[in-house]
Amino acid sequence: GAVVSQHPSWVICKSGTSVKIECRSLDFQATTMFWYRQFPKQSLMLMATSNEGSKATYEQGVEKDKFLINHASLTLSTLTVTSAHPEDSSFYICSASTLGQIKETQYFGPGTRLLVL
Amino acid sequence: AQSVTQPDIHITVSEGASLELRCNYSYGATPYLFWYVQSPGQGLQLLLKYFSGDTLVQGIKGFEAEFKRSQSSFNLRKPSVHWSDAAEYFCAVGAGGTASKLTFGTGTRLQVTL
Repeated sequence: GAVVSQHPSWVICKSGTSVKIECRSLDFQATTMFWYRQFPKQSLMLMATSNEGSKATYEQGVEKDKFLINHASLTLSTLTVTSAHPEDSSFYICSASTLGQIKETQYFGPGTRLLVL
Repeated sequence: AQSVTQPDIHITVSEGASLELRCNYSYGATPYLFWYVQSPGQGLQLLLKYFSGDTLVQGIKGFEAEFKRSQSSFNLRKPSVHWSDAAEYFCAVGAGGTASKLTFGTGTRLQVTL
């Protein structure tokens, strides 16, 4: 149980284009989803927290107009990197959680590697 | 604000040897603590977690961790390492007594020699 998927697993795009990454909880309903960014050989940095049906909460320093997050249902959240530039190249990981329930936990997806040329 | 320190950036052990990965946290109240493992190019897999109760927590793949409040530690152990355990290990603490905002340590890369 508690499986989270991401699509695509990797994407290469040209500078200036937009890229959408999907995060799905496959066997449970996630009240909250999180988006992280991981640079090579570094830890995860939380970008934003999204709750189903409401606006995402972004961490300090994360541009909300550049990283658009939509959490349309209890099983799907999307991250759109708008007007991507080479510095946006990174490994993006989502997680899903059922916060508010006893022994809540974040379950992570397999990640999406983005390369912007 | 909470923080997590993993003092060992890189550890090498022989297959069959025991393993202990260190994790120290800073948090004012009783923390929610997690250990995750990440294989190259993959997402994170939950190994185990501590919320309350028994301070010795059993996880998957033969791992266990012990919460020691007096030392602010949550070290991960395995009695006999397998070559497939080679990966990056992250310790994390949840803020506000929840898993809502995880703060991760910088990770420990485990290498297993045959």
